[in-house]
Order: sequence, then structure tokens, then C-alpha cells
Amino acid sequence: ETGVTQTPRHLVMGMTNKKSLKCEQHLGHNAMYWYKQSAKKPLELMFVYNFKEQTENNSVPSRFSPECPNSSHLFLHLHTLQPEDSALYLCASSQTQTSASSYEQYFGPGTRLTVT
Amino acid sequence: KQEVTQIPAALSVPEGENLVLNCSFTDSAIYNLQWFRQDPGKGLTSLLLIQSSQREQTSGRLNASLDKSSGRSTLYIAASQPGDSATYLCAGWGSARQLTFGSGTQLTVLP
Repeated sequence: ETGVTQTPRHLVMGMTNKKSLKCEQHLGHNAMYWYKQSAKKPLELMFVYNFKEQTENNSVPSRFSPECPNSSHLFLHLHTLQPEDSALYLCASSQTQTSASSYEQYFGPGTRLTVT
Repeated sequence: KQEVTQIPAALSVPEGENLVLNCSFTDSAIYNLQWFRQDPGKGLTSLLLIQSSQREQTSGRLNASLDKSSGRSTLYIAASQPGDSATYLCAGWGSARQLTFGSGTQLTVLP
């Protein structure tokens, strides 16, 4: 496996279900990101982890819960979602994240989530 | 707060034409600007990254420029091909320490 992988690629869940999205990067990066892409809207940053520590939470509802056990893996735990949460969820990684510099971000293929 | 705007929202050109996609941003303290390509229902593929100290970057038929003073970046695609059909996104990394994305330009290259 190379680059950034995401599983599952497609997920349909009811509003009372609990599911998790998984992201794995094989690039030796230290920063990982979750983005949400809804129809007709720009990508929205959800969470950032840098060296396993969460550094950004862009006012994301608590029904989305991220977890970063190590620099290579990132999870997004989902529970009691709403239909408006249906979207493409993208994971990305970069070498690191600092205030003084920035690095190229590499994206996974995404998980298409449908909440029924 | 950084705002990124892409014009036009959609563009259709005949094969072989040279074209320019535009991106404007509001944060003059931008650190870098990244151009991506997204195929329908897929993730993003990074095309070019321009650091704030650079004026342009080239990769094959693609050339991206960055003008911080005017808050603009352009992506030039030479000799377009049907395989170039996709949505092109620009994103700026600014003082908020995160990538802010534009809404994209949907490009169709007609055979």
C-alpha cells in the first residue's frame, strides 16, 4: 500500500448506528487531517493531529469523535448522525504542521457516507 | 478569516486549447498555495505547491503562478486533453494554519 488509504470507501448508516472511518498513511508523515466535502460546498477542515496530538477542532459537533493512536493511523468515530452529515469524508497527511511553515498535503480517496 | 474564490465555476474547451484557471485569496500572509485535481467521487490529487517565496511552479503541461500582492494565483494548462477533465481546486495555507479551499472550477475538455 502506498500513499493515503481510507476504509470503507462507501458507508450507509442509520441515525442510531455507531461506525468508524479509518485512515492510514504510508508516507512517514506526522500530521493528519479530516475534511468534509458536502455537495456544492468547499472542503471544510474538521480536525488536525500533529504528532498524535489534536491541534485543531473546527467547531465540529460531538457526534464526530476523532482518534489518532499513532502518526500513521487516524479514525473518525461516528454516532447518532443526521442526514445532513451525508458527505465525502477525506483524510489527508503532511510532513508536519507548524505556524512557521507548511507542507504539501496528500489526500486519500475518501469515504462516501450516507446517513438514512 | 481566509477566503478563497475560484472563477469560473465551470469551463468547457475544445481539445488542444491552452487555458487559465483563476484563484483569488484574501489573506496576504499566505504561506503557500496548493492546486489539486479531483475526479468525480474521488479524493484530491496534488498538482502543484507554490511557497510564498516563489512566483511559479511547473509540472509538465501545468504552470501555476502566485502573486501575493494582488492575492491571486493562476493555473495554466497547455494543450488541454480530454483526460484533463476534472474539478480543479486551489487552497491557501495562511495565518489560520490550515488549508482554506475554493469551490473549484469544473473543467470539461471536449474531444
